[in-house]
Amino acid sequence: DVKVTQSSRYLVKRTGEKVFLECVQDMDHENMFWYRQDPGLGLRLIYFSYDVKMKEKGDIPEGYSVSREKKERFSLILESASTNQTSMYLCASSVIGRSYEQYFGPGTRLTVT
Amino acid sequence: GQQLNQSPQSMFIQEGEDVSMNCTSSSIFNTWLWYKQEPGEGPVLLIALYKAGELTSNGRLTAQFGITRKDSFLNISASIPSDVGIYFCAGHEAAGNKLTFGGGTRVLVKP
Repeated sequence: DVKVTQSSRYLVKRTGEKVFLECVQDMDHENMFWYRQDPGLGLRLIYFSYDVKMKEKGDIPEGYSVSREKKERFSLILESASTNQTSMYLCASSVIGRSYEQYFGPGTRLTVT
Repeated sequence: GQQLNQSPQSMFIQEGEDVSMNCTSSSIFNTWLWYKQEPGEGPVLLIALYKAGELTSNGRLTAQFGITRKDSFLNISASIPSDVGIYFCAGHEAAGNKLTFGGGTRVLVKP
């Protein structure tokens, strides 16, 4: 059974803190993605990675960075959290060449106070 | 970025009803997808459509890829309570790895 796991289901952080969200997949997928989900806006792509140490900006990368040191792990970093980054964050993975068939983790609901 | 307009934003279903939702885009996509997200979970792929005019079913779900390649619809026949959730359309371009998602249709059960 395919599996994408995220380090936390719920997270509360203070404005200005550095925040790490971790994602691990066990399917040996090349592609990994980070989205944020907000009501009425659907899922918006923050960053994706198609290989170890490779990354590309998505539609809303401002205020975020990512790290992919190992194939199975993709981290999202908020260098200095702000209240407008309160959201649901979803990680996904896919095989290369089938990037439309994405497997999602359960999400991390981040609240920044 | 590109926008996918999905409607309705929410709907109530009564068991046994047929329901439908649709998605329109200002741009052409090569592949249309429909995902479902249940409470507390990430989205799961329901149906993928690969060419204009294609009509595909998955159990009680039927989806179509519009002829203009700028729209798609999803029908759910004979609704059951476990159909509740948020349904997302998504478009995929020929080149690249990105999906563009619609805003979602939240399906709820009539009290």
